[in-house]
Amino acid sequence: AQSVAQPEDQVNVAEGNPLTVKCTYSVSGNPYLFWYVQYPNRGLQFLLKYITGDNLVKGSYGFEAEFNKSQTSFHLKKPSALVSDSALYFCAVRDGDYKLSFGAGTTVTVRA
Amino acid sequence: SAVISQKPSRDICQRGTSLTIQCQVDSQVTMMFWYRQQPGQSLTLIATANQGSEATYESGFVIDKFPISRPNLTFSTLTVSNMSPEDSSIYLCSAESGADAYEQYFGPGTRLTVT
Repeated sequence: AQSVAQPEDQVNVAEGNPLTVKCTYSVSGNPYLFWYVQYPNRGLQFLLKYITGDNLVKGSYGFEAEFNKSQTSFHLKKPSALVSDSALYFCAVRDGDYKLSFGAGTTVTVRA
Repeated sequence: SAVISQKPSRDICQRGTSLTIQCQVDSQVTMMFWYRQQPGQSLTLIATANQGSEATYESGFVIDKFPISRPNLTFSTLTVSNMSPEDSSIYLCSAESGADAYEQYFGPGTRLTVT
């Protein structure tokens, strides 16, 4: 069975500093990996995906993620965090039946 | 990308009653799904809504409790039946069109409180 793990419940950074949200995965075949963000009282918004190709994937709102096969990781990054990036972030992996399995989520707080 | 709307956005219901949640997509999509999310928690897949056939339920979810319909390629409903306080949660609809390869889009969710 496939799964993802987000080892940090919370990440706190100062505005302007780099932001990293960690995710590791476990799959039996090729990994299809995703990051979503959820703002308070909102649905999930798609940020980026890794299907194949370049290990560095660029997405919405200045976010990027690095796929590392040897470490089975897909960490989300942003070079310079904004207060508006404060939200709940989910890593997810997709199986062959289109179903997504989500991590537990990481709450990001960016302080001014 | 697909735009997904849900109705109602929230509701407060008495135990023992049922609530039907509607999900509308602005374009035809291949796949539609229903998830449950406790506030601040992760998402759990309830079922895949299949067009023209019975939904496919995940372990721990049954049709009698969560009947699902999908009459066409843009619309689905989820009913939460015989509700108890344990059903208080956020219910989200999602869809994957196939045009946006592998990208699944989510509705804003329905916040259900059962008293």
